[in-house]
Amino acid sequence: DAGVIQSPRHEVTEMGQEVTLRCKPISGHNSLFWYRQTMMRGLELLIYFNNNVPIDDSGMPEDRFSAKMPNASFSTLKIQPSEPRDSAVYFCASKVGGSNTEAFFGQGTRLTVV
Amino acid sequence: TQLLEQSPQFLSIQEGENLTVYCNSSSVFSSLQWYRQEPGEGPVLLVTVVTGGEVKKLKRLTFQFGDARKDSSLHITAAQTGDTGLYLCAGENAGNMLTFGGGTRLMVKP
Repeated sequence: DAGVIQSPRHEVTEMGQEVTLRCKPISGHNSLFWYRQTMMRGLELLIYFNNNVPIDDSGMPEDRFSAKMPNASFSTLKIQPSEPRDSAVYFCASKVGGSNTEAFFGQGTRLTVV
Repeated sequence: TQLLEQSPQFLSIQEGENLTVYCNSSSVFSSLQWYRQEPGEGPVLLVTVVTGGEVKKLKRLTFQFGDARKDSSLHITAAQTGDTGLYLCAGENAGNMLTFGGGTRLMVKP
């Protein structure tokens, strides 16, 4: 298995532009997480899906952020419009449903908004 | 929101020294996981502890889950330069949601 695949690896965009981050979870995993990592705030949970349904989106910072999971093999995180303070590394992770299972992370997308 | 506090935030030691990293919360978790992250990569699982008071060993690393399942510690014996990295604890709640602590950035110098 190729693991969790995120794209793009790096994204540089101008303030005000729309940004879409993509994630392909590991096949058979039915839980998917989007995290944002910065030096100041660490690894913050943005949203958690279970069986393609958003379970908890309380970590989504503002209405500018939205996430979808149209099927079990694909999820997107969209920022519209983007702002410089959104600059961070965004990680997607997936795991088998149920407790005490390992979360597998993608390599992340480094977003820079200028 | 269930908060996990890790301490220390930064730790710089010499090779061969011992160290302990702490992960504390006011919330009870169904399990607690420890991850290690290297630059440019996502976190990778080291261990999962489930039972209050549980102790697990992974070579020179010893993990303990508090009796009340609110806190955990990671002890490294005779640290090596290869142990350098960001250590993250993560608590799992009854809904299988995984929340991370702020991390401890460890530097082991030769």
